[in-house]
Amino acid sequence: GESVGLHLPTLSVQEGDNSIINCAYSNSASDYFIWYKQESGKGPQFIIDIRSNMDKRQGQRVTVLLNKTVKHLSLQIAATQPGDSAVYFCAEGSGTYKYIFGTGTRLKVLA
Amino acid sequence: GAVVSQHPSRVICKSGTSVKIECRSLDFQATTMFWYRQFPKQSLMLMATSNEGSKATYEQGVEKDKFLINHASLTLSTLTVTSAHPEDSSFYICSARGGGTIGIDTQYFGPGTRLTVL
Repeated sequence: GESVGLHLPTLSVQEGDNSIINCAYSNSASDYFIWYKQESGKGPQFIIDIRSNMDKRQGQRVTVLLNKTVKHLSLQIAATQPGDSAVYFCAEGSGTYKYIFGTGTRLKVLA
Repeated sequence: GAVVSQHPSRVICKSGTSVKIECRSLDFQATTMFWYRQFPKQSLMLMATSNEGSKATYEQGVEKDKFLINHASLTLSTLTVTSAHPEDSSFYICSARGGGTIGIDTQYFGPGTRLTVL
C-alpha cells in the first residue's frame, strides 16, 4: 500500500506580506536549481530557475537566492496572494538532467 | 509555451488489468521525458527516464516489466502499468525536458494522472 503521508512543513503568511521559503540542497556538484509550485491534485508548475554561477535571479513577484557556500536556496514571493497557496518544491539538477526534489513546503496565505 | 499534457487525468481499474498513461509535449519537442510517482504529502519520486527512440532508464527499485515505458516520438511518451494491483494506486506525473529561459533545458510537468486500483 501507499506510505503514510508525511507532515509537510507549513509556512503561514498574511495576505500582502512577503513569503520566504527555504531549501537545503544535498549535492555540491549540482549546478542548476529550480522552484516548482504544486496545487492540490495538479502537477508541479515551473516558477523560476537559477544556475550555479548566479546568486540571485528575479521574476515577476518572485526572487530566487542561491548560497552555494552553505548549499541553501530560497524563494521569495512579494505581496503574497491567496492564489499563492500551494506546496513549493525546490529541485537540484546536474549534467544527467535528473532532478533531486526537496521534501516540499506548504504555503498558507491567510486572509 | 512549454505545455505538457497527460491522459487520462484519472483512472479507476480492477486489479490485474493494465493501464496506459500518455504524456505529450504540446508546443515543443522533448528528446527526454521523465516519469514520477507521488504519494500523498510526499515529494516526487523519479521512476524512469525516457529517451526518444531508445530504452528507458529505470531508477533502482522500479520494476521495468511492471512499468513499461515507450517514447516513440519527440512529443509522446507512454507509461503502461501492467497487471495493476492496489499498491500501484498513486499519482503519476510525467515531465518533458525542453527549452528553458537561461540556456538550460528545464523539466516541465504534466497535470498528473490519479490511478486507483480496486
